[in-house]
Amino acid sequence: AQSVTQLDSQVPVFEEAPVELRCNYSSSVSVYLFWYVQYPNQGLQLLLKYLSGSTLVKGINGFEAEFNKSQTSFHLRKPSVHISDTAEYFCAVSDAARGKLIFGQGTELSVKP
Amino acid sequence: NAGVTQTPKFQVLKTGQSMTLQCAQDMNHEYMSWYRQDPGMGLRLIHYSVGAGITDQGEVPNGYNVSRSTTEDFPLRLLSAAPSQTSVYFCASSYFELAAEQFFGPGTRLTVL
Repeated sequence: AQSVTQLDSQVPVFEEAPVELRCNYSSSVSVYLFWYVQYPNQGLQLLLKYLSGSTLVKGINGFEAEFNKSQTSFHLRKPSVHISDTAEYFCAVSDAARGKLIFGQGTELSVKP
Repeated sequence: NAGVTQTPKFQVLKTGQSMTLQCAQDMNHEYMSWYRQDPGMGLRLIHYSVGAGITDQGEVPNGYNVSRSTTEDFPLRLLSAAPSQTSVYFCASSYFELAAEQFFGPGTRLTVL
């Protein structure tokens, strides 16, 4: 069975600072990895996903993530955050065989001026 | 396209009452799913469907029923509401292909007294 662990429940940062949101996963089969973002009082929307190929994946709003198979990690990064990036971010894994999406616990990113 | 719609947006129930949360999508997606979101626990899969007439259980199916009579609709039924079912419920849909992006509805906030 797959599982996802987001290592930080809350990440406060100042505007224009870099940020990294950490995600580790466990799975005995090939997986696909995702990051979703949830703005206040909204549903989730896809930021980026890793299927195969290059381990560095670029997404919307200047976010990128790096897949590290040996460390089973898929950390999300942004070099310079904005106030508008304040949201909750979810890492998710989907197994290659069945396609079900399993989410991590979420990380609240709070960007302060 | 309206995307994924959910009704109602808010609902208060008394313990033991039953109700149905509605979900509809107009993107001709084969895959639909229901999640519940609780603080610190991320999103947990309740039930999912890979097409009309086909449903299966997710991580936390107890106390919920689903059916899929059409491609567009995927209602979630609470048979006898309990306070532990107080949560925010999200419906999602996608094409049934590996690593397909899931599109989420705006959510239903349910309180069971």
